This record gives sequence, structure tokens and C-alpha cells, in this order.
Amino acid sequence: AQSVTQPDIHITVSEGASLELRCNYSYGATPYLFWYVQSPGQGLQLLLKYFSGDTLVQGIKGFEAEFKRSQSSFNLRKPSVHWSDAAEYFCAVAAGGGAQKLVFGQGTRLTINP
Amino acid sequence: DSGVTQTPKHLITATGQRVTLRCSPRSGDLSVYWYQQSLDQGLQFLIQYYNGEERAKGNILERFSAQQFPDLHSELNLSSLELGDSALYFCASSDRGQGYNEQFFGPGTRLTVL
Repeated sequence: AQSVTQPDIHITVSEGASLELRCNYSYGATPYLFWYVQSPGQGLQLLLKYFSGDTLVQGIKGFEAEFKRSQSSFNLRKPSVHWSDAAEYFCAVAAGGGAQKLVFGQGTRLTINP
Repeated sequence: DSGVTQTPKHLITATGQRVTLRCSPRSGDLSVYWYQQSLDQGLQFLIQYYNGEERAKGNILERFSAQQFPDLHSELNLSSLELGDSALYFCASSDRGQGYNEQFFGPGTRLTVL
């Protein structure tokens, strides 16, 4: 069964610093991978997705992620964070073919220091 | 705004009671998914409906049931409520029944069982 691990429960970075959030997945075939962001009291917003093709994907709000099959990873990056990026970030995987459910990691809470 | 609406936003009830959560998908989307977000279990897939029919089932308790109506809105029914059912319940929609595409999430319904 597919699974997602986000090793970091909580990360604190200074405003303007770079960010990398880690995500490792377990799935036998080529996965469909996603990063979602959840602001306090809000729903989930899709930041970016990887289905196939170029392993470096660009998303909204200046985020990017790189798919590395050899490491079963899909880490999220941003070169310079803004205070408004403080939120919870979820990595998710969906099985290919007919299965559409998303399997989420436990989430990483991002705090931004001014 | 994702275009997915959920009502009510908050629900407070007592143990043993029954509640109904409602979801309206984005215009044109045929698939509806339900997810539960709790502190203990994180974000978990419950069930998917496509054009009125159940398509996939996840970790949904027998006390919970769902349906999708001809106008494509969906309801999640939770009965014999327990304290542990307190959670944020998300609905998501997509335009496909199989083969993956992006899921758009609603703002969620926060259920508190006292």
C-alpha cells in the first residue's frame, strides 16, 4: 500500500531564508505526487503536482518540487519565504490507474520568524 | 475559493447523536471525495462517489455512510457519534471517475462531539 512520510513535524525559518520540506513516498509504480498547503482554519490548496515528465515542477506562490525516483522523494522548496507562507504543508500520493484516493503525510508545520 | 462548498462550517453535538454533512462539488465535477482530519490519524480518505455511485472506500467506519444525489451534491452521515469522531471533515471534487486529476477541497466542516 502506498504511504507518505514527512520527517519534519515542525520547521522554523526566518523570513527571506530558503526552505526545503521533505517528503518520501512508498509506491510500486510511478506515483502521482502533490503538495497541499493548509492555512489556519482553511481548507487545502494545491501548490503543485507531479504526474510525469520533467522532474522539477513549478507551483503557485513561488514553490517548486523535485521528484527523485531513486530516493522516493518529492521535496518542496522555496528560495525565499514570506511571513504569509506560515501554514501546514501536506505531501500526498495517489495511485495510478483507477485508484484516486489521496494518501497524505502527517504534515509539516512551518513557522516564519520575522 | 475552490468552488467546493460545505455546510455547516461548525457542528457541535453530543455522543450517540447523528449528523449530516453536506458538500456541493465544483460545477461540472462528477467525483466527490470525503476525508477526515484528526489529530490522531491525520488526513484520511473515507469514501469516493462518482456520478452517484460509490467508487472507492477507505477507512470509513460502519457508523458512517455517504451518498451522492442526482444533482451531484453529496452527504456524509455520521451516526452513534463518539468523542473520537471529533474532527475536520473535508469534501473534495474532481472531474474524473478514474485516471488521476486534481482534487479541489472545500473549507471543511468542524465536528465537535461532547
